[in-house]
Amino acid sequence: SQTIHQWPATLVQPVGSPLSLECTVEGTSNPNLYWYRQAAGRGLQLLFYSVGIGQISSEVPQNLSASRPQDRQFILSSKKLLLSDSGFYLCAWSVEGGAGANVLTFGAGSRLTVL
Amino acid sequence: QKEVEQDPGPLSVPEGAIVSLNCTYSNSAFQYFMWYRQYSRKGPELLMYTYSSGNKEDGRFTAQVDKSSKYISLFIRDSQPSDSATYLCAMSAGDYKLSFGAGTTVTVRA
Repeated sequence: SQTIHQWPATLVQPVGSPLSLECTVEGTSNPNLYWYRQAAGRGLQLLFYSVGIGQISSEVPQNLSASRPQDRQFILSSKKLLLSDSGFYLCAWSVEGGAGANVLTFGAGSRLTVL
Repeated sequence: QKEVEQDPGPLSVPEGAIVSLNCTYSNSAFQYFMWYRQYSRKGPELLMYTYSSGNKEDGRFTAQVDKSSKYISLFIRDSQPSDSATYLCAMSAGDYKLSFGAGTTVTVRA
């Protein structure tokens, strides 16, 4: 069966510090991978998605970036965090194509607080 | 106007009641409709998935899609305290990108 791992679960970072959140998926090949951010009362905002190694699409201009160095690994990064980057970050995956590609499975999330 | 509108609640019901949740949307290209359940400080988990219009039932849960009205619903019968969570509607036009509602927080009182 497929599983998705996301870490760290919680982190507190000072403004201006770097960020690295990591996500890996097991039990599937060539998944679509996603990073979402969830702010209180505002639903989920798509940040990045990837349909293959090295292929990243950005949905929102910001100081965050994403990379996919391996088929089942997705990394969210920032060189300098802003206060507004605080939130709950969710990694998700879906199958490569067909109707199932529209159904996402989420990780447990990473709660980031920027002070 | 948001692409997907969902009443954030909160909604509080007694155990055993029927919970009714709904979302409206503006993008007529949406074809795939989902409901996710999210417990506090956890990632969302898929509850129901429907393609195009119609009803789908799974145990105590029923999802309805009315594309002509751009309106989707989720009903929870015989609600239990364990159903207390935030429920998110989500939809896609088939481009692998989901649009989410803001979520409705539900509390089922024992």
